[in-house]
Amino acid sequence: GIQVEQSPPDLILQEGANSTLRCNFSDSVNNLQWFHQNPWGQLINLFYIPSGTKQNGRLSATTVATERYSLLYISSSQTTDSGVYFCAVPNTNAGKSTFGDGTTLTVKP
Amino acid sequence: EAGVAQSPRYKIIEKRQSVAFWCNPISGHATLYWYQQILGQGPKLLIQFQNNGVVDDSQLPKDRFSAERLKGVDSTLKIQPAKLEDSAVYLCASSSLGGGTQYFGPGTRLLVL
Repeated sequence: GIQVEQSPPDLILQEGANSTLRCNFSDSVNNLQWFHQNPWGQLINLFYIPSGTKQNGRLSATTVATERYSLLYISSSQTTDSGVYFCAVPNTNAGKSTFGDGTTLTVKP
Repeated sequence: EAGVAQSPRYKIIEKRQSVAFWCNPISGHATLYWYQQILGQGPKLLIQFQNNGVVDDSQLPKDRFSAERLKGVDSTLKIQPAKLEDSAVYLCASSSLGGGTQYFGPGTRLLVL
């Protein structure tokens, strides 16, 4: 099946700093999602981004499907951004998803 | 719009006991997913339903796990008998169609002693 690798595994920032999280995948995909898992375990949708660039406030994401990677940008980070960020890609058109192991982000005040 | 509902939120059982989890997806969503998330790892898909049919259950340990979605709406995941390694968070998600945006419930935290 498809392999999904995320980097870095851990990231510690001071409040106000910017960061870039990466997701590499081993095969072509027709969609990709980024999620934030908060400290209480809830997975929250950030982006559904099979290709191109999207922005939502301080967050933006870019997927380059032909090169099999996606990037999540967080600008002016806040302590509430702390948690684990996952990307997920499907294995088939039916939508079976494989998740990466996540990037754990800690934003210090 | 109501989100994905799951119950119970927490469950503690002893090994070899049975346990069941319930999920009610977002209204109108045809696709329902069950994931297992072990501490420190990403969610792993156990089974995916499209309406009341199984699309994928290749990673479901069928000797002890079972799931059903009889009327194409809510779903039940059962473990019988439970093992220590089943301790995890069980997440339910739904999407309006296969491959679409997935929305997750709050999860059920299972501890097997």
